Amino acid sequence: SQTIHQWPATLVQPVGSPLSLECTVEGTSNPNLYWYRQAAGRGLQLLFYSVGIGQISSEVPQNLSASRPQDRQFILSSKKLLLSDSGFYLCAWGFYVNSYNSPLHFGNGTRLTVT
Amino acid sequence: GQQLNQSPQSMFIQEGEDVSMNCTSSSIFNTWLWYKQDPGEGPVLLIALYKAGELTSNGRLTAQFGITRKDSFLNISASIPSDVGIYFCAGCKHSGGSNYKLTFGKGTLLTVNP
Repeated sequence: SQTIHQWPATLVQPVGSPLSLECTVEGTSNPNLYWYRQAAGRGLQLLFYSVGIGQISSEVPQNLSASRPQDRQFILSSKKLLLSDSGFYLCAWGFYVNSYNSPLHFGNGTRLTVT
Repeated sequence: GQQLNQSPQSMFIQEGEDVSMNCTSSSIFNTWLWYKQDPGEGPVLLIALYKAGELTSNGRLTAQFGITRKDSFLNISASIPSDVGIYFCAGCKHSGGSNYKLTFGKGTLLTVNP
């Protein structure tokens, strides 16, 4: 069966520090991968998605970037964090095959607090 | 961009009561999904709907894909305390393609009093 892992679960970082959040998927190959941010426990905002290694699409202009160095690894980064980057970050995966899009399946998230 | 209007925003009910929530859109969607999120965790898929008019059940949960393809509802029967959480609807306008993106509603916060 497929599983998705995110780490760390919680993170407290000072303003101006770098960020690296990691997400890995097991039990599937060539998944679509997604980064969402959730503010105040509601409303999921799509930040980035990737359909393959090295292929990243950005949904909103922001202080963050994403990379996909391996098929089942998705990384969310920032060179200098802002207070407004605080939030709950969720990684998700899905797949597309034979004209069928699967639902997205989410990791357990990373709670980021920028101080 | 696409927007989903989810209502109600919150509900406070007694254990054993039935619950109904819905999502509407000004655009047609080809897929409707319902998720539940517990505090501090990621959303978990409850029900997926792919055809207009489709009615699907998962235990005490029932969801329907509206015939206009612009709405969906979720019903929970005989609520129990563990039903507490945030329920999200999500829709996708495209039925296929590798760049599959979901639009989410803002969620319904459900509180169940024992």
